[in-house]
Amino acid sequence: EDQVTQSPEALRLQEGESSSLNCSYTVSGLRGLFWYRQDPGKGPEFLFTLYSAGEEKEKERLKATLTKKESFLHITAPKPEDSATYLCAVPTRAGGSYIPTFGRGTSLIVHP
Amino acid sequence: NAGVTQTPKFQVLKTGQSMTLQCAQDMNHEYMSWYRQDPGMGLRLIHYSVGAGITDQGEVPNGYNVSRSTTEDFPLRLLSAAPSQTSVYFCASSSRGLGYTFGSGTRLTVV
Repeated sequence: EDQVTQSPEALRLQEGESSSLNCSYTVSGLRGLFWYRQDPGKGPEFLFTLYSAGEEKEKERLKATLTKKESFLHITAPKPEDSATYLCAVPTRAGGSYIPTFGRGTSLIVHP
Repeated sequence: NAGVTQTPKFQVLKTGQSMTLQCAQDMNHEYMSWYRQDPGMGLRLIHYSVGAGITDQGEVPNGYNVSRSTTEDFPLRLLSAAPSQTSVYFCASSSRGLGYTFGSGTRLTVV
């Protein structure tokens, strides 16, 4: 069965303290991996799509990387405004289509 | 502003009542999906559609119906509300199944 697992469930950082979030997946024939950011009371906001092992994408203080079994979201010198829940998702077979299956997310809090 | 619009934002229902959650997108996306989000459970797929007239069930479809008569709209119907359906519901749309755009959600409480 396809599965997406994120770790840690929660992460507290001091401002400027870099760290990484992990998303491991068990799907056959990866068709992309998505990262989203979700603020409290809002819908998820799309960040990145990664398609192949070795691929990297960056946006401000965030860098996403992909291997054959997992993806990392690296946060460099985070600021309090980076506090949010970060979700990853992979397209999994649903009927005749591929629809994103989401992990449970990592709740990140960055203290000033 | 282009995007996914969900209404209402908040709703309280009594057990057994029915209602429709509305979702509309103006990006001409083929794919649309409904998810529910519960504490500790993440986003779970209820129903999805890959085009007008085409719908299918996701992971947790029981108690919900959908239809897709136009590209723009994808309403979710609760047939007979139950307390277990208390959740936050998100509608999302995508072009060709790539990065999805989400609405702001409907927070539903069933008492």
